[in-house]
Amino acid sequence: EAGVAQSPRYKIIEKRQSVAFWCNPISGHATLYWYQQILGQGPKLLIQFQNNGVVDDSQLPKDRFSAERLKGVDSTLKIQPAKLEDSAVYLCASSPLASGVSNEQFFGPGTRLTVL
Amino acid sequence: DAKTTQPTSMDCAEGRAANLPCNHSTISGNEYVYWYRQIHSQGPQYIIHGLKNNETNEMASLIITEDRKSSTLILPHATLRDTAVYYCIVRAPSGSARQLTFGSGTQLTVLP
Repeated sequence: EAGVAQSPRYKIIEKRQSVAFWCNPISGHATLYWYQQILGQGPKLLIQFQNNGVVDDSQLPKDRFSAERLKGVDSTLKIQPAKLEDSAVYLCASSPLASGVSNEQFFGPGTRLTVL
Repeated sequence: DAKTTQPTSMDCAEGRAANLPCNHSTISGNEYVYWYRQIHSQGPQYIIHGLKNNETNEMASLIITEDRKSSTLILPHATLRDTAVYYCIVRAPSGSARQLTFGSGTQLTVLP
């Protein structure tokens, strides 16, 4: 079974530029998550989708971050404009359903963003 | 508002058991204990979870104290590939509290 795919793996941009990340979850997984992981810290949830609807975006900085999952499969996360503090690894994860106790999340390899 | 406390780092000799502790003294009755690990440059990987009883799978064992205020993840025969950051997470079965909230975890280094 193919895992969660993310691209690009690495991205370097200058502050105030825009950047977009792409995620393809495991086939059939209804729930998709985007996390931000700053160096030395654990991942922090940014947004959760159930199919193509947003379940939780309470920690997404909406003045500069946006995410969509139009057809309930692939998702993109965009930052516009980027700030230095956005330098982090952006992880995508998917799970079969939002409900259920044993609903483990499967993570992709992440995109490492460096903002100069 | 981390709900778990873990040591920052631990070492373990290859082939020996690695015992990773976690304190979760404010855990609620319906909250589960989850363990994930993150190998360098990879995304986190699910290991195991439990509510009250001890659990075992092909990767590890989870021992939860009777009062549920702490738990221990046991890797019975650690290998070099087990070197990773291990996260202990308390998670509710439903509602907004069922999100995975990661702390800083324990960096386990398996030594040859």
